[in-house]
Amino acid sequence: QKEVEQDPGPLSVPEGAIVSLNCTYSNSAFQYFMWYRQYSRKGPELLMYTYSSGNKEDGRFTAQVDKSSKYISLFIRDSQPSDSATYLCAMSPVVGAAGNKLTFGGGTRVLVKP
Amino acid sequence: DAGVTQSPTHLIKTRGQQVTLRCSPKSGHDTVSWYQQALGQGPQFIFQYYEEEERQRGNFPDRFSGHQFPNYSSELNVNALLLGDSALYLCASTKRSASYGYTFGSGTRLTVV
Repeated sequence: QKEVEQDPGPLSVPEGAIVSLNCTYSNSAFQYFMWYRQYSRKGPELLMYTYSSGNKEDGRFTAQVDKSSKYISLFIRDSQPSDSATYLCAMSPVVGAAGNKLTFGGGTRVLVKP
Repeated sequence: DAGVTQSPTHLIKTRGQQVTLRCSPKSGHDTVSWYQQALGQGPQFIFQYYEEEERQRGNFPDRFSGHQFPNYSSELNVNALLLGDSALYLCASTKRSASYGYTFGSGTRLTVV
């Protein structure tokens, strides 16, 4: 079983709809939770990060973390065709002497149709 | 402000050959990590360098090795290439003290034939 599970999609929504993405994880050591967006033939771009449980909002994006359920979510409001990309969740433990590698989900491909 | 720069962008190698990929971190960053991303999958951690030493390693064989230079730039070397090594290799940089805020390069697309 993978440490981080993410539905691969594709997830197709009409323009203006809310996109809902989520990941589940098994490692209780994870404290930092991130969402990356990756366009085709590009590297991942950090969208949002959260520490421990709670919600965080940034413009059209809202990230939620429920550590008790080991479940994180990303919501994209008023979706645009330019939001079409692969969305990757990533997690890491608290920074320590051993470093802070990121553990990624497999990514969800999102298509926003005009 | 330049982000993470990787070279080359594309590379085709034959099985059994060796390859070196290069990465220049974002200005102000001192820690470099390498990831392998197979088609349709999420990036997998290879290793991380800080102060010119390998600090943490993922589940990759010894054929994968690296180096970090005093200017924080880094190289990834892969020996005895296998077809399964075909992937996008991503370099990510950050400040040592951060648990987030990684900046990724656009990657090197390696094809092994």
